[in-house]
Amino acid sequence: RKEVEQDPGPFNVPEGATVAFNCTYSNSASQSFFWYRQDCRKEPKLLMSVYSSGNEDGRFTAQLNRASQYISLLIRDSKLSDSATYLCVVNEGAGGSYIPTFGRGTSLIVHP
Amino acid sequence: NAGVTQTPKFQVLKTGQSMTLQCAQDMNHEYMSWYRQDPGMGLRLIHYSVGAGITDQGEVPNGYNVSRSTTEDFPLRLLSAAPSQTSVYFCASRNDGLAGVYEQYFGPGTRLTVT
Repeated sequence: RKEVEQDPGPFNVPEGATVAFNCTYSNSASQSFFWYRQDCRKEPKLLMSVYSSGNEDGRFTAQLNRASQYISLLIRDSKLSDSATYLCVVNEGAGGSYIPTFGRGTSLIVHP
Repeated sequence: NAGVTQTPKFQVLKTGQSMTLQCAQDMNHEYMSWYRQDPGMGLRLIHYSVGAGITDQGEVPNGYNVSRSTTEDFPLRLLSAAPSQTSVYFCASRNDGLAGVYEQYFGPGTRLTVT
């Protein structure tokens, strides 16, 4: 089985902190990468795609390191509402051959 | 748009019973898939479909059947329920990536317990 590994946490941080998660993948042929967010007892929702050049969306920054086969997610100025599980998703194929592999998720708890 | 809908939300089955989990989407997505999520295991792909009439197996297909007679519907059938199939089941559909982003939209899930 192709592996996507994440530290399950939980990461317990105060409001306003900066926190970073890493995700490693075993298949060097992987083509596309994503971070999803899953709230307790809810469905996963796309947080952001991860591009080779890195990308930023507000307080969230995602980076890809193909040489070391990992992706990262940085959250700045953490809010209470950021508390959730963050799922790393790696896809071997491109376009129509999209078959994603999900990591087990990293739990984040932001406290006052 | 309702997005991806799943029924039922909760179900309890006895070992050996069969049932169908329903999934429908109104976004005209060609690609649909079924996952199960177990504690500590993450999401695992059961079956997927790239369009009406086309289905294929994912990582954990044993004990499940699917069909795709229309673009909108993608039901998952448990043939003979076993306690190992106790899980949360998510259906998802995926856009066509025209904007360069392949986003999966998940339904709210079905929580299944097999006793």
